[in-house]
Amino acid sequence: DAGITQSPRHKVTETGTPVTLRCHQTENHRYMYWYRQDPGHGLRLIHYSYGVKDTDKGEVSDGYSVSRSKTEDFLLTLESATSSQTSVYFCAISEGEGDEQFFGPGTRLTVL
Amino acid sequence: AQSVTQPDIHITVSEGASLELRCNYSYGATPYLFWYVQSPGQGLQLLLKYFSGDTLVQGIKGFEAEFKRSQSSFNLRKPSVHWSDAAEYFCAVGGNGGSQGNLIFGKGTKLSVKP
Repeated sequence: DAGITQSPRHKVTETGTPVTLRCHQTENHRYMYWYRQDPGHGLRLIHYSYGVKDTDKGEVSDGYSVSRSKTEDFLLTLESATSSQTSVYFCAISEGEGDEQFFGPGTRLTVL
Repeated sequence: AQSVTQPDIHITVSEGASLELRCNYSYGATPYLFWYVQSPGQGLQLLLKYFSGDTLVQGIKGFEAEFKRSQSSFNLRKPSVHWSDAAEYFCAVGGNGGSQGNLIFGKGTKLSVKP
């Protein structure tokens, strides 16, 4: 299995609070991604990174920001969490553009 | 526009029966095609992939898929389903011509297996 960990695995927070999710990889892959998964919507791309300090927006980026200060870590931040951001968040990595992606175990976030 | 369609939201098959999950895609360049499986509470696991060459690809757990360019399809098949195959299955398309160079996922097909 690809070495991808996500932390925390579960989080409950209140509306308006900031939240940061962490993705850590040991594969030295260039690309990293954050998705959210919701019933009936499948996987939707939030942000992705194609290198250290190189990031871009995905399909559902509003309300989210990311940072990648080193190859192995990709952080997803909800500046002010809302109930609509209750979801399961998955991190993924890939070696190249359009290549197969390897997924982390997910983080279940509940915003009350 | 690039997209992936999985027409069946939920399929139920009997254990031991054959299975085919449908996937149709729209993509502007030569596609890379993938099938992933997700068990409840788990992340996604790659079942198989097609980049080029033989249009019938073999994957893990006895699954196979066939790329049909003329039909823009990449259907997943298994000759005999096991109870442990109950999960959600996602088709995805990618490649150098993809949107932002990333994978585009279908909305998934949930497979239930009857004993």
